[in-house]
Amino acid sequence: QVQLKESGPGLVQPSQTLSLTCTVSGFSLTSYSVHWVRQHSGKSLEWMGRMWSDGDTSYNSAFTSRLSISRDTSKSQVFLKMNSLQTEDTGTYYCARNYKGYFDFWGPGTMVTVSS
Amino acid sequence: DIQMTQSPASLSASLGETVTIECRASEDIYSNLAWYQQKPGNSPQLLIYDANSLADGVPSRFSGSGSGTQYSLKINSLQSEDVASYFCQQYNNYPYTFGAGTKLELK
Repeated sequence: QVQLKESGPGLVQPSQTLSLTCTVSGFSLTSYSVHWVRQHSGKSLEWMGRMWSDGDTSYNSAFTSRLSISRDTSKSQVFLKMNSLQTEDTGTYYCARNYKGYFDFWGPGTMVTVSS
Repeated sequence: DIQMTQSPASLSASLGETVTIECRASEDIYSNLAWYQQKPGNSPQLLIYDANSLADGVPSRFSGSGSGTQYSLKINSLQSEDVASYFCQQYNNYPYTFGAGTKLELK
């Protein structure tokens, strides 16, 4: 069955870099795109960026140049790297499979706290 | 960016009641709209896609409608397990954007 699971540090210091991994199973990264979405304390959801099935990426301009998404297809993993973290980046980060624009499967999410 | 205005922000309803949640896009999104349900502590789950198509395994009491800039999610015969937050999402243009959410509680 389709599964996604995020992993990474729960706590990051301000100005440091966040590194998250999304490990997927039940589908191929070369057939579906995987996106990152974050949520602040149960509030609304914010689309961050995507890894397309052909390896192309695109990002929300709200994150300017501090966001990077990559993948390792041999390990079925998609990576998120975001630098210059601030307290406003505290929240739950999800990876989700996208099908024709909508998200049909989501990971359980990983909580990230930015604090010294 | 396309702005998604969702209403109401919160809603209290009784078991068996019918509830409607609205979403308005800042421009025409050509039915490229999805609805998600999120229960506390869980990730969002897809309910409706393409404005009115029911996702696999979703009870038929959920339905979506709308076109252009105006969309709605209707829940018939409200059940206790429907207590959750609901979000709309447009996928007509990047960046994909979501509504602010509607928190549904039992009266």
